[in-house]
Amino acid sequence: QKEVEQDPGPLSVPEGAIVSLNCSYSNSAFQYFMWYRQYSRKGPELLMYTYSSGNKEDGRFTAQVDKSSKYISLFIRDSQPSDSATYLCAMSRFSGGYNKLIFGAGTRLAVHP
Amino acid sequence: DAGVIQSPRHEVTEMGQEVTLRCKPISGHDYLFWYRQTMMRGLELLIYFNNNVPIDDSGMPEDRFSAKMPNASFSTLKIQPSEPRDSAVYFCASSLGRSDSPLHFGNGTRLTVT
Repeated sequence: QKEVEQDPGPLSVPEGAIVSLNCSYSNSAFQYFMWYRQYSRKGPELLMYTYSSGNKEDGRFTAQVDKSSKYISLFIRDSQPSDSATYLCAMSRFSGGYNKLIFGAGTRLAVHP
Repeated sequence: DAGVIQSPRHEVTEMGQEVTLRCKPISGHDYLFWYRQTMMRGLELLIYFNNNVPIDDSGMPEDRFSAKMPNASFSTLKIQPSEPRDSAVYFCASSLGRSDSPLHFGNGTRLTVT
């Protein structure tokens, strides 16, 4: 079993829809949770970052962490065609110093006008 | 800041040839990472450096792969000899190295080995 599971999609939604992207994980030691967005032929870029449990909102984006269920989500409100990209979840442990990020497979999202 | 710079953007080579990928990290970042991305395996960490020293190369698939970081502003990933199964997009990333510090990725080198 992979440490991080993410449905690769593709997910196709109409403009204006609410999008829900999800990842599950098996390692309860993960403390840092991130979402990266990757446009075609570009490198991933950090979109959202949360530490431990709870919600974090940034504009149209909300990141949610449920450590009891080992499940994280990214919600996109009022989705736009410019949101069409691959979204990768990533997570790491905390033990001082650098800890290797474990990435999900990425979910490909297409928002059509 | 120009971000992480990788070259070349595309590389097409024949099986058995040596391939060298290059990376310039963001100035001031003390960690540098090499990743490989394929449809089948997603984003895989190959090796990472801290202050120019290789820390973990457990992701390097075989002895055909080697990486160096001669100074804080330059790193190379070399494949010798290359094989068709090495075809992938190779990303370099840098960061400040704290667990809450994001990785900054370059735009990758798309390698095709025929």
